[in-house]
Amino acid sequence: EAGVTQSPTHLIKTRGQQATLRCSPISGHTSVYWYQQALGLGLQFLLWYDEGEERNRGNFPPRFSGRQFPNYSSELNVNALELEDSALYLCASSLRDYLTDTQYFGPGTRLTVL
Amino acid sequence: AQRVTQPEKLLSVFKGAPVELKCNYSYSGSPELFWYVQYSRQRLQLLLRHISRESIKGFTADLNKGETSFHLKKPFAQEEDSAMYYCALGGGGADGLTFGKGTHLIIQP
Repeated sequence: EAGVTQSPTHLIKTRGQQATLRCSPISGHTSVYWYQQALGLGLQFLLWYDEGEERNRGNFPPRFSGRQFPNYSSELNVNALELEDSALYLCASSLRDYLTDTQYFGPGTRLTVL
Repeated sequence: AQRVTQPEKLLSVFKGAPVELKCNYSYSGSPELFWYVQYSRQRLQLLLRHISRESIKGFTADLNKGETSFHLKKPFAQEEDSAMYYCALGGGGADGLTFGKGTHLIIQP
């Protein structure tokens, strides 16, 4: 079974531009999570989508947004890029059963803002 | 607020020695705790979750609610255990996972 996939692997943008990152969850998973792993800050929760709706977001400004499509894939948009947005962005998916909410991670997209 | 603390950034032990990676958490509700591992050039992958109480690759972790800890243990370290280990706290998905800063485990031959 294929795992979570993300594209692109690397993305280079300049300050002020917009970035779009994509994620395909494991087949059958309906929840998608986005995390930012910035140097020195660790993994921080960004956004959670489930059944096409944004369910919760972490402590990030509104220029971080996204959506989930009917096939449960998701994209993360970062507007008005700032230098400190440079980070590894991880996507995770889960099958939200009643027992647990185990998340499975993709390989990440490395965003560099120049 | 949820918080996960991994006090050791780096832990170096010799092959065959016991390993304990510490994790303490702060959470007011009923916690779901996980250990994730990231081997060199690989993606983050689930190692253990407290709810299943299983042993993976010889690692175990017991949730101690009194001490709010979820330490990861292995009696005899192997060189292939060298990796970054992250402790993570979930609260039912509402806030995503809260991760500790990670512990870099190095197993010396």
